[in-house]
Order: sequence, then C-alpha cells, then structure tokens
Amino acid sequence: DVKVTQSSRYLVKRTGEKVFLECVQDMDHENMFWYRQDPGLGLRLIYFSYDVKMKEKGDIPEGYSVSREKKERFSLILESASTNQTSMYLCASSSGKLGKLFFGSGTQLSVL
Amino acid sequence: AQTVTQSQPEMSVQEAETVTLSCTYDTSENNYYLFWYKQPPSRQMILVIRQEAYKQQNATENRFSVNFQKAAKSFSLKISDSQLGDTAMYFCAFMKLVGNQFYFGTGTSLTVIP
Repeated sequence: DVKVTQSSRYLVKRTGEKVFLECVQDMDHENMFWYRQDPGLGLRLIYFSYDVKMKEKGDIPEGYSVSREKKERFSLILESASTNQTSMYLCASSSGKLGKLFFGSGTQLSVL
Repeated sequence: AQTVTQSQPEMSVQEAETVTLSCTYDTSENNYYLFWYKQPPSRQMILVIRQEAYKQQNATENRFSVNFQKAAKSFSLKISDSQLGDTAMYFCAFMKLVGNQFYFGTGTSLTVIP
C-alpha cells in the first residue's frame, strides 16, 4: 500500500513564526500536492509539484512556499504564520499512470 | 476552469437504508476521472470509488455505486445498506488527465443513524 506520511498530526505556533510541514511518500510518485481543508470550503490546492525541484502554484499560494529537493519529500513552508492560516493541511501524492490520489493523515495547525 | 459542486452540506440516513449523494461538475475536457473520497473522523482520506469518463458503465464497489451522466455532468454516489462506519465527510473530485490536477467539491457530511 502507498504510504504518505505527514510529520505532525497537531501543531501549535505563534503568529510570525516560520513553520515547516513535512510530507514523505514511499511509492516513487512523481506528483505531490499540498491542500488546505476548511469547513464549508472543501479542499483547496496550495501548491503542487510534478518533479524534483519543480513547483506550481495552486489556487491559494499566498503566504506559502514549498520545497521539493528529493522525489519522496515535499515540504510546505509558512514564511510568517498568521492566524488565518489556522487550518487542516493535507499532503497527497499520485502517479499519472494510476489516476488516484493518496493522502496523508493531515496536520491540524493552530496559529495563535 | 474546472468546478465541482456538492449541493448537500449535510445528510443523514437510517442504518441499512440507501442514500444518494449528489455531485455536479463543469469542464470542457472530454477525458477525465471522477472520484468519491471518504473522510471519517480519523481524518484519513479514503478512496471510495473511481470512474473513467470514457466508460459508459457505472462503477461499483460493493455497497457503493455511482450514477455517471456525462452529458449532464453529474456524478452521484449511492450507498446501499448503510452502516455506522459510513458516517464521514464525502468529497466528490475531478481529475484532468493532462496535468493530473484534482478539483474537489466542498463535501457532504453523512451521518448514519442507528
């Protein structure tokens, strides 16, 4: 089975802090995604990556950046956390051949 | 641009009954995939069922089946013999074949009542 691992299940940070959310997948998938999930808004795409060192903006990239130095790891960075970034963050990966998205178990981030 | 609409924010169903969750989408693509994902209280997103747009036959997975109407851009999920473990948030999703981008609806919260 594909495993997508997010480093933290719960995270509490202060406004202005730099925050790193880590995601690792073990199935050699070329595509990786970061979503934000908020009640009533569903899943919104922040950034995605099709290959190492490649990144593309999603629908809501403002306030975020990403890093993909290795194929299996995709990091989401909040340069200066703000309270409106309190949310559930979901990492996912896919292979174009499979046409399926595999998710991590999510990180609930609270910015105080 | 692709959009996915789930017009039922919340639904409930009696255990052992059947329930249908609605989903519509808008796209100019001809080839794509459609999905239903389930997110139980554990928060882990689980793939329920997948439909390739070029297939006319509706996908089924045990108690889960879809009604795919390509011309109407409709993709509803039917859950038969509902079980307490079906209680979850259900998301409808669309995937373009070019670029592998996924687009999600806002979700339907389903509660199965004992």
